[in-house]
Amino acid sequence: NAGVTQTPKFQVLKTGQSMTLQCAQDMNHNSMYWYRQDPGMGLRLIYYSASEGTTDKGEVPNGYNVSRLNKREFSLRLESAAPSQTSVYFCASSLWTGPNEQFFGPGTRLTVL
Amino acid sequence: AQTVTQSQPEMSVQEAETVTLSCTYDTSESDYYLFWYKQPPSRQMILVIRQEAYKQQNATENRFSVNFQKAAKSFSLKISDSQLGDAAMYFCAYTNFGNEKLTFGTGTRLTIIP
Repeated sequence: NAGVTQTPKFQVLKTGQSMTLQCAQDMNHNSMYWYRQDPGMGLRLIYYSASEGTTDKGEVPNGYNVSRLNKREFSLRLESAAPSQTSVYFCASSLWTGPNEQFFGPGTRLTVL
Repeated sequence: AQTVTQSQPEMSVQEAETVTLSCTYDTSESDYYLFWYKQPPSRQMILVIRQEAYKQQNATENRFSVNFQKAAKSFSLKISDSQLGDAAMYFCAYTNFGNEKLTFGTGTRLTIIP
């Protein structure tokens, strides 16, 4: 039982390049989330998927797109990376949204030059 | 909008001693949930403890306990018998029914002194 997995663990991009961060969970959870973590700040929600087939914007969605590929997988895409998107990205999942425990992946450290 | 404030960027404690991390929050909701998450150097976020606002009894999990003061909107975490493995960033977080997301504080970095 791997929990929440993320790939890649590290990535360096040049400004304007695109990439997709992958996330998968094997806990049969319905809800999945993407957060970013910046120094001196807590985690901020980028997008979430309350259930398979739905996605919604979080607190900081600009510059990102997401796809809920199936119940297990939720990807985050940067179409044209900017230095302001340098951050650590976490994927999380929970049984449902609301007051349920969220389980986090190990994070992806992204640097945009 | 809900906000979560952790006013202690860094704390340190001697091994085996007790330390308390502070958290305050602002909400107009009456039914909500509070969490403490631990982020060790491995970066993996791990749930430490959770408190339902409707429960008057403070939550405890082994060496971890909370002091939940609903009227004061305060939610502190007490770690007893601190161990080297407790060294981490600790984040306080809030959510309520009908709210899809967790709102996190900015974190407190806890150092354990051997």
